[in-house]
Amino acid sequence: EAGVTQSPTHLIKTRGQQATLRCSPISGHTSVYWYQQALGLGLQFLLWYDEGEERNRGNFPPRFSGRQFPNYSSELNVNALELEDSALYLCASAPPSGRAYEQYFGPGTRLTVT
Amino acid sequence: QQPVQSPQAVILREGEDAVINCSSSKALYSVHWYRQKHGEAPVFLMILLKGGEQKGHEKISASFNEKKQQSSLYLTASQLSYSGTYFCGTERSGGGADGLTFGKGTHLIIQP
Repeated sequence: EAGVTQSPTHLIKTRGQQATLRCSPISGHTSVYWYQQALGLGLQFLLWYDEGEERNRGNFPPRFSGRQFPNYSSELNVNALELEDSALYLCASAPPSGRAYEQYFGPGTRLTVT
Repeated sequence: QQPVQSPQAVILREGEDAVINCSSSKALYSVHWYRQKHGEAPVFLMILLKGGEQKGHEKISASFNEKKQQSSLYLTASQLSYSGTYFCGTERSGGGADGLTFGKGTHLIIQP
């Protein structure tokens, strides 16, 4: 069974630009979670998508947004990039919500803002 | 509220035991444990639900004390492959509504 995939592996952008990160969940999983892993800060919850809807977001500004497509894949957009946005962005997928679940993480996208 | 993990780091000899703790100041629905090796994605180890259960996975087990809002991860007779950073992720309500709030991680180094 294929795991969670993310693209691109690495992304280098300049301050002020926009970045788009993509995630494909495990087949059968309808939930996609996005996390930011910045150095020294651990994993920070960004966004949760389920059945095509944004269900919840963490303590991040509105320039972090995304969407989930009918095939449950997801896109994370970061507008007006700032230097502190440099981090590893991980997505995780989970089975349909409403019951105990485990999240399966993808390999991440390393975003560097210069 | 970010859970607090302790210790921050531990160095062991192969075969020794380790305990990693995760504490929250808020009532929890579940605690998830993950291990992340350098440059890799976190890998799910186990999930514990409120109710004070204990789970095992090979030589790795965990407990969840609902009254104390604390979970402990036990690594018995550690192997070199256990090296990595261990994260606990907590959930205050079921169904994924909150996402997971992760601790800062515990770095575990196993030496031969």
